Amino acid sequence: RKEVEQDPGPFNVPEGATVAFNCTYSNSASQSFFWYRQDCRKEPKLLMSVYSSGNEDGRFTAQLNRASQYISLLIRDSKLSDSATYLCVVNGNYGGSQGNLIFGKGTKLSVKP
Amino acid sequence: SQTIHQWPATLVQPVGSPLSLECTVEGTSNPNLYWYRQAAGRGLQLLFYSVGIGQISSEVPQNLSASRPQDRQFILSSKKLLLSDSGFYLCAWTKVLWVLGTEAFFGQGTRLTVV
Repeated sequence: RKEVEQDPGPFNVPEGATVAFNCTYSNSASQSFFWYRQDCRKEPKLLMSVYSSGNEDGRFTAQLNRASQYISLLIRDSKLSDSATYLCVVNGNYGGSQGNLIFGKGTKLSVKP
Repeated sequence: SQTIHQWPATLVQPVGSPLSLECTVEGTSNPNLYWYRQAAGRGLQLLFYSVGIGQISSEVPQNLSASRPQDRQFILSSKKLLLSDSGFYLCAWTKVLWVLGTEAFFGQGTRLTVV
């Protein structure tokens, strides 16, 4: 099982659609979970952290299921500006390191008019 | 506030030439520092990380090396580049106490093309 696996993309959706991304992780000791957004040819930037109880930020909702080692991101009322690649990120803590982050390959979202 | 600087932004180098990419962080002390590579159509691959001056851990065997001569400086090097070294190189930093949440802040990246 890969360390962090995401839905294969790309996702092509119309404006206003609701889209969901899924992610699974293999290290049950992981403590921190995030969704990052990466625009084309740019560096990744934090979209939101994922908390155990689930959290919402405007049109974005993140969920964590520790038992299933599963993370999700829901985007409601998609905008053209949401087009980007969404990266699932998990704290790996390998070899006793601090803050070692493992990135999924990302899922590309394209929102069309 | 903290900032991270990475340079150069783009680089075209011939096979067999040396490489030196530099990254510096301002506004924080004792950061964890990382070098990632993103090849075309692939995810971010962790190359090196460092938890302190002179402390380097390598995640993937390759012809690249890293050094941390100062607390907030991280350098990626190669003596002889290969075609397969082409990619988007990203430097990042995180706060020390990962248990409090470990948001990573990235530099703007260096797009390296080996020809």
